[in-house]
Amino acid sequence: DAKTTQPTSMDCAEGRAANLPCNHSTISGNEYVYWYRQIHSQGPQYIIHGLKNNETNEMASLIITEDRKSSTLILPHATLRDTAVYYCIVADNYGQNFVFGPGTRLSVLP
Amino acid sequence: GAGVSQSPSNKVTEKGKDVELRCDPISGHTALYWYRQSLGQGLEFLIYFQGNSAPDKSGLPSDRFSAERTGGSVSTLTIQRTQQEDSAVYLCASSWVGGTTDTQYFGPGTRLTVL
Repeated sequence: DAKTTQPTSMDCAEGRAANLPCNHSTISGNEYVYWYRQIHSQGPQYIIHGLKNNETNEMASLIITEDRKSSTLILPHATLRDTAVYYCIVADNYGQNFVFGPGTRLSVLP
Repeated sequence: GAGVSQSPSNKVTEKGKDVELRCDPISGHTALYWYRQSLGQGLEFLIYFQGNSAPDKSGLPSDRFSAERTGGSVSTLTIQRTQQEDSAVYLCASSWVGGTTDTQYFGPGTRLTVL
């Protein structure tokens, strides 16, 4: 079973920031938070990951709460191409325990 | 190529036939994973290979499913006596284990349809 809970779906206006929440209240100290997304008919794409500090890369920012029980993926300026299912995954160092839950279906609207 | 590749991209077979799906991981990646995704569902873990260790087969749904990884690189997932419920997209991922985290990179998948 997935260790995370995410909203089933979200809408976001094109050009606005998309904030995707994830709850992982049972996360262990050595477990990382990973985000992937899956655009229709493609394999999952890695976005970002973090342990406890906030992270930013060219795709997104990851904000992890101080108690690490939840996180938010931020797409700063959503485009139509960002429409996808976004998966939040909690896993330890060697990812054979990756479990993909149902994810959040993000629809970016024109 | 730079990424994970899988073949075939699509496979249609008749119930009861055997199928083989191939995965070429990213060069140098020591870990390889197989997942499947049924229509409208999340990813389901099947099997994990890491170096020369015995594979983690805990996700294989039945003994009709098997996988091997030759020479620590290419992997083949075999499904014997296919059933209609085996219809899904089968995804392969690879990663380099040895750093601080294990980021998996996915291939495009093989869409299997069992008639």
